[in-house]
Amino acid sequence: QVQLQESGPGLVKPSETLSLTCTVSGGSITSYYWSWIRQSPGKGLEWIGYVFYSGSTNYKYNPSLKSRVTISVDTSKNRFSLDLTSVTAADTALYYCASSTTIYFIKNWGQGTLVTVSS
Amino acid sequence: SYELTQPPSVSVSPGQTASITCSGDKLGDNFAYWYQQRPGQSPVLVIYHDMKRPSGIPERFSGSNSGNTATLTISGTQALDEADYYCQAWGNDAMIFGGGTKLTVL
Repeated sequence: QVQLQESGPGLVKPSETLSLTCTVSGGSITSYYWSWIRQSPGKGLEWIGYVFYSGSTNYKYNPSLKSRVTISVDTSKNRFSLDLTSVTAADTALYYCASSTTIYFIKNWGQGTLVTVSS
Repeated sequence: SYELTQPPSVSVSPGQTASITCSGDKLGDNFAYWYQQRPGQSPVLVIYHDMKRPSGIPERFSGSNSGNTATLTISGTQALDEADYYCQAWGNDAMIFGGGTKLTVL
């Protein structure tokens, strides 16, 4: 089973870029859909987007975040990343990386990493 | 934008049947999915494609989806089923989650 581990800064200043990486083990980065999902403290889940790489990169982002989001794949290191620009306090959340063999649902989740946006 | 609506909370006695609903415009025309999230843990898929159970999910979990409502049913509810449950579907070209339902086993 694919295992996922998020990493990145736990604190980001307002207006700056939030950057997270998800390291994949137990599976190839070229075989799955790789997603980012976040959960604000005490709130529900929000899908950020996914990327799929099979020679070329295909991606889809949540329309509400599309202007600020980039999800990319690093095949040499078997990992994928999230960049979220111009962050505000509303972007404070637990960020999960996740994977699935289909776009329809999420099968595997990382443990999540808390990112706080504050000066 | 497309929205999925769940009741904030549902209570059930041990051994009884719990039903959690998820409402969305013409939800039955799409597949619905359900996740269980215990406190401090990552979500776990418990139902996919409306009514299918992933490997390792107990048979007491079942699902249905018709019209505007998808339903997660837990038969013979156990204390360990106490958790937050989220429905999910695709709408307006995005993966959408419901607001979540806290299931309390009294």
